[in-house]
Amino acid sequence: SQQGEEDPQALSIQEGENATMNCSYKTSINNLQWYRQNSGRGLVHLILIRSNEREKHSGRLRVTLDTSKKSSSLLITASRAADTASYFCATDTGNQFYFGTGTSLTVIP
Amino acid sequence: DGGITQSPKYLFRKEGQNVTLSCEQNLNHDAMYWYRQDPGQGLRLIYYSQIVNDFQKGDIAEGYSVSREKKESFPLTVTSAQKNPTAFYLCASSPGRGVSYEQYFGPGTRLTVT
Repeated sequence: SQQGEEDPQALSIQEGENATMNCSYKTSINNLQWYRQNSGRGLVHLILIRSNEREKHSGRLRVTLDTSKKSSSLLITASRAADTASYFCATDTGNQFYFGTGTSLTVIP
Repeated sequence: DGGITQSPKYLFRKEGQNVTLSCEQNLNHDAMYWYRQDPGQGLRLIYYSQIVNDFQKGDIAEGYSVSREKKESFPLTVTSAQKNPTAFYLCASSPGRGVSYEQYFGPGTRLTVT
């Protein structure tokens, strides 16, 4: 399977702390995207990073991509209770999207 | 108000019955996708369509069928041949014909088959 794997599976932090989650994948990609899913809802796109980019920022989000290690990380700084959700990486192989299994983040107020 | 709508939000069916899930988008997107999500799992691609009257199988197409007669509509039929149909179904669309675009998701339909 080319599905990405997120690590950790679950993460619980205090409000104000930073949250880091990682995604590893198996094959070459064109881009990698991160999505958020609140419980029982659809996914919301957070950020896209292309294979020739190493780092990207969007507000409190920072994404890195290391194509040599086939891995990406998502950092959420100064977390808020509203950040509580599941986070998924999705890899684009040029032919199809593959979603990872997700990291469940709980931010405790 | 642009977006993707899926209906109904909850759907209950008896085993052996076919059921069709609706997905409509008014974003003028070329590509549309159907995913299945099981508890604690990621999304698995069922079918996708990059243009009207054309669609491709994803990783788990067996027991499902789709049609794309209009750009804005991509209904999914869960047939009685699908062994484990109970799941959360998500429809998505993207602007381009390739996959190098972000996907916009609908709110999902939770199907329960007993």
